[in-house]
Amino acid sequence: DTAVSQTPKYLVTQMGNDKSIKCEQNLGHDTMYWYKQDSKKFLKIMFSYNNKELIINETVPNRFSPKSPDKAHLNLHINSLELGDSAVYFCASSLSAGGITDTQYFGPGTRLTVL
Amino acid sequence: AQSVAQPEDQVNVAEGNPLTVKCTYSVSGNPYLFWYVQYPNRGLQFLLKYITGDNLVKGSYGFEAEFNKSQTSFHLKKPSALVSDSALYFCAVSPGGATNKLIFGTGTLLAVQP
Repeated sequence: DTAVSQTPKYLVTQMGNDKSIKCEQNLGHDTMYWYKQDSKKFLKIMFSYNNKELIINETVPNRFSPKSPDKAHLNLHINSLELGDSAVYFCASSLSAGGITDTQYFGPGTRLTVL
Repeated sequence: AQSVAQPEDQVNVAEGNPLTVKCTYSVSGNPYLFWYVQYPNRGLQFLLKYITGDNLVKGSYGFEAEFNKSQTSFHLKKPSALVSDSALYFCAVSPGGATNKLIFGTGTLLAVQP
């Protein structure tokens, strides 16, 4: 059983389109994250949700809107896609928001290509 | 500001030789340090973490890391490298506070030659 899963694995789209990436975890964790990995493999956190509540927003453009319908799911919706949004997006989860020593478990990533 | 540095973009080692992937950190409080590995076209896999206690931390796949407070380092090591260890390795720090986010280093590509 996959602990953290993402769909789709690959996403190719045109500039200006709106797209969504879905993430689900079956670990029973309270906290979920979105990270962006750019073309140079640099990883940076975008958002974090704890039990459906936003707790981290790292100055991400408001074209990016995370949505957490329940604590096992954290989806990422991106409006008006730009070329610079091309990256690999990773979802992750950890046991609790205040657990600064908790291990984060990552999904397989979604490679977004904006043409 | 909390940060980690991985000074080597790439490390080359022959199979069977010991390997070291370097990481130094800068934190204002207690350092909580992690190593992750990323295989090609895959997600990040957790290897090990240092929270407190013994400076030598053992992790998955035979990897270990040595925490050195005076040198602010957390180098990843393995006594005998395998070709299958070839991957991208990330050091990360948890800066603490009310939220749990990871700040990653720039990654080190490990290439193990047969």
